[in-house]
Amino acid sequence: EAGVAQSPRYKIIEKRQSVAFWCNPISGHATLYWYQQILGQGPKLLIQFQNNGVVDDSQLPKDRFSAERLKGVDSTLKIQPAKLEDSAVYLCASSLSRLARETQYFGPGTRLLVL
Amino acid sequence: GESVGLHLPTLSVQEGDNSIINCAYSNSASDYFIWYKQESGKGPQFIIDIRSNMDKRQGQRVTVLLNKTVKHLSLQIAATQPGDSAVYFCAENNAGNMLTFGGGTRLMVKP
Repeated sequence: EAGVAQSPRYKIIEKRQSVAFWCNPISGHATLYWYQQILGQGPKLLIQFQNNGVVDDSQLPKDRFSAERLKGVDSTLKIQPAKLEDSAVYLCASSLSRLARETQYFGPGTRLLVL
Repeated sequence: GESVGLHLPTLSVQEGDNSIINCAYSNSASDYFIWYKQESGKGPQFIIDIRSNMDKRQGQRVTVLLNKTVKHLSLQIAATQPGDSAVYFCAENNAGNMLTFGGGTRLMVKP
């Protein structure tokens, strides 16, 4: 079974530029999550989708971050404009559902460096 | 807000020895915990979980202990191998399947 796919794996941009990350979850997984992991810290949940709907985005900095999962499969996370403190690894995870506390499977992440 | 944290940021063990990684949590209502392993350049990988109605759960070479009285859990790795070198996170699984991670402990295995 293929795991969670993410691209790109690395991205370097200058502050105030925009950037987008892509995630393809495990086939059949209804729930998709985006996490931000700052160096030396644990992942922090940014947003959770159930199919194509947002379940929780309380930790998403909505003035600059946006995410979508239009068809309930792939998802994109965008930052516009980027700040220096956005440098982190952005992890995507998926699970069969959110109701039964299903195991979350993580992708390899996209490492973002903002200069 | 409530959070999950770890006592030791780095643990160095000899190959073949047992490893113990500790984690404290603050939310007494927490009822489901997960240990994840994260190798360099990879995403976290599920190791083992435990629900609050249990004190102990065993997997292959790993054991998780939960002490609800002092809000503490630990991950024990038997016969630690070089492949166990990674950062280990405990996470609290909240309602709606949302994870709150602690800060992580780096395990280094010396040959």
